Amino acid sequence: EDQVTQSPEALRLQEGESSSLNCSYTVSGLRGLFWYRQDPGKGPEFLFTLYSAGEEKEKERLKATLTKKESFLHITAPKPEDSATYLCAVLITGGGNKLTFGTGTQLKVEL
Amino acid sequence: DAMVIQNPRYQVTQFGKPVTLSCSQTLNHNVMYWYQQKSSQAPKLLFHYYDKDFNNEADTPDNFQSRRPNTSFCFLDIRSPGLGDAAMYLCATSRDLLAGGHNEQFFGPGTRLTVL
Repeated sequence: EDQVTQSPEALRLQEGESSSLNCSYTVSGLRGLFWYRQDPGKGPEFLFTLYSAGEEKEKERLKATLTKKESFLHITAPKPEDSATYLCAVLITGGGNKLTFGTGTQLKVEL
Repeated sequence: DAMVIQNPRYQVTQFGKPVTLSCSQTLNHNVMYWYQQKSSQAPKLLFHYYDKDFNNEADTPDNFQSRRPNTSFCFLDIRSPGLGDAAMYLCATSRDLLAGGHNEQFFGPGTRLTVL
């Protein structure tokens, strides 16, 4: 069965304390992996798409990487405004246009 | 700005009273999706349209129906809401994800449904 697992479930960081969020996947065939940010009471906001192992994407303090088994979202020197839930989702071969989501990592960055 | 709009943002209904949620988009995307998201859970796909082609998830209850009268609009009808249907309902759009390239899903702000 196709599975997407995110860890940790929750993460508390001090401002400026860099860390990484993990998204591991077990799927029949990966066509793409997507990262989203979701603020409370709002819809997910697209961050990155990764298509092949070794690919990396960056945006401000965020950097996403992809291997054949997992993806990492690295957060460098986070600020309180980076606090949100980060969701990863995969597009699977044979799954049509359907994304399979992980349950997310709830990140809180404190002053 | 091109965007995905959902109305209303908050909807309160009574147990068993039908409710309709709406979604519109100015992105001209051919795929539209409806998700249900409960607190601290991943979005759960209910169904999606590829153009006018309707795709229902196997575990979506019959209580949930959808209509897409044109490219821009999509509706979610809940025929007899139960207490367990209280959730955030998210609409999303995309071009064909299978085409590759920059074909991510864009989400609306969601409609928070309360069932009394």
